[in-house]
Amino acid sequence: GDSVTQMEGPVTLSEEAFLTINCTYTATGYPSLFWYVQYPGEGLQLLLKATKADDKGSNKGFEATYRKETTSFHLEKGSVQVSDSAVYFCALSQYSSASKIIFGSGTRLSIRP
Amino acid sequence: DTEVTQTPKHLVMGMTNKKSLKCEQHMGHRAMYWYKQKAKKPPELMFVYSYEKLSINESVPSRFSPECPNSSLLNLHLHALQPEDSALYLCASSQDRDRGSPLHFGNGTRLTVT
Repeated sequence: GDSVTQMEGPVTLSEEAFLTINCTYTATGYPSLFWYVQYPGEGLQLLLKATKADDKGSNKGFEATYRKETTSFHLEKGSVQVSDSAVYFCALSQYSSASKIIFGSGTRLSIRP
Repeated sequence: DTEVTQTPKHLVMGMTNKKSLKCEQHMGHRAMYWYKQKAKKPPELMFVYSYEKLSINESVPSRFSPECPNSSLLNLHLHALQPEDSALYLCASSQDRDRGSPLHFGNGTRLTVT
């Protein structure tokens, strides 16, 4: 079945460091890919998405490119801030079962001032 | 501010109690969802309503009973819960069930079953 694998956390970085959170997926066909972020005490928020190969999603300085050849959707940011501390979830959905979004296990990110 | 509103924010209930969780959205979305999230885990899908009809039940125990009174409201009725049901319950909505349509989540109800 379809699945999403994320790098294990927690990830701890200093402010202004470069961030990469790895995400790979296993799926048939052409799923849509998402990154969601969950701040402490809140629900999940959509951070960015891509719906076809080579699409780049971007928002708030974060970027991720849909790479079908490597089945990856890695999240990057050039200079992180303390306010980026949160849990990040990579996710996919298939056309055939669009209601069933499959989430990765989540990566906790902590940024030191 | 979230566009999906959930009440209450916190709920403590005994195993013999009956309570309800409420969710409201005014974005005109036609699909609404209930998720359960345990600590340090991703959300797990429980139910999906599409155009006010239940379309997915992920084999959830009958002590959880969803209801969709209209296109803006979603309830989750709770009865005879177990301590292991303690979790964050998240409501979400989406424009429709299209695969590119993202989920909009509420901030959740933190449920403790004693």
